[in-house]
Amino acid sequence: GAVVSQHPSWVICKSGTSVKIECRSLDFQATTMFWYRQFPKQSLMLMATSNEGSKATYEQGVEKDKFLINHASLTLSTLTVTSAHPEDSSFYICSARDATTRTEAFFGQGTRLTVV
Amino acid sequence: SQQGEEDPQALSIQEGENATMNCSYKTSINNLQWYRQNSGRGLVHLILIRSNEREKHSGRLRVTLDTSKKSSSLLITASRAADTASYFCATESGGGNKLTFGTGTQLKVEL
Repeated sequence: GAVVSQHPSWVICKSGTSVKIECRSLDFQATTMFWYRQFPKQSLMLMATSNEGSKATYEQGVEKDKFLINHASLTLSTLTVTSAHPEDSSFYICSARDATTRTEAFFGQGTRLTVV
Repeated sequence: SQQGEEDPQALSIQEGENATMNCSYKTSINNLQWYRQNSGRGLVHLILIRSNEREKHSGRLRVTLDTSKKSSSLLITASRAADTASYFCATESGGGNKLTFGTGTQLKVEL
């Protein structure tokens, strides 16, 4: 199946700093990518939909100035957590859909963010 | 919230037994998908069933969909220890390609 690579797999940062997470579709083009947040033993909550070449669409309650999303190409979307705080510590997962098949979504391996 | 509900929240069975997980959702859907997640990892797509389908099979997996009851079930037959994971249903509605995930079932298969 298609491969989505997410990097880094884990990161520890200090409060107040920013962290960038990358999501790449390796063997297909993804006009749309999705960013999720997952707390321990809970489900995935959609944060935003990233559209190539346009602004991301954020879900209600998600601060767009805190979670900056850039989808500069058909294979790369980035999520930047700005001025991170301990409550931002979580598991972040991206997914992408093949622009041609538009059925199943392929997920990255996730990024464990710990803010200290 | 449009998030679906899954039950049971946790399920522990012996290897060789069948595991059944249920998913209920709230809105009309285009399709329903099941995903598997090993601890601390990303999700792996298992199977997709469209709104006009009632049952689908893939290897040891059997999925049913009842749109009148807004519910789906995932059956894993002859379970193995390697099936231990969390299983999520996800629904797609409208034209936005967004997936709404259920609350998940944590399956543990013991030797």
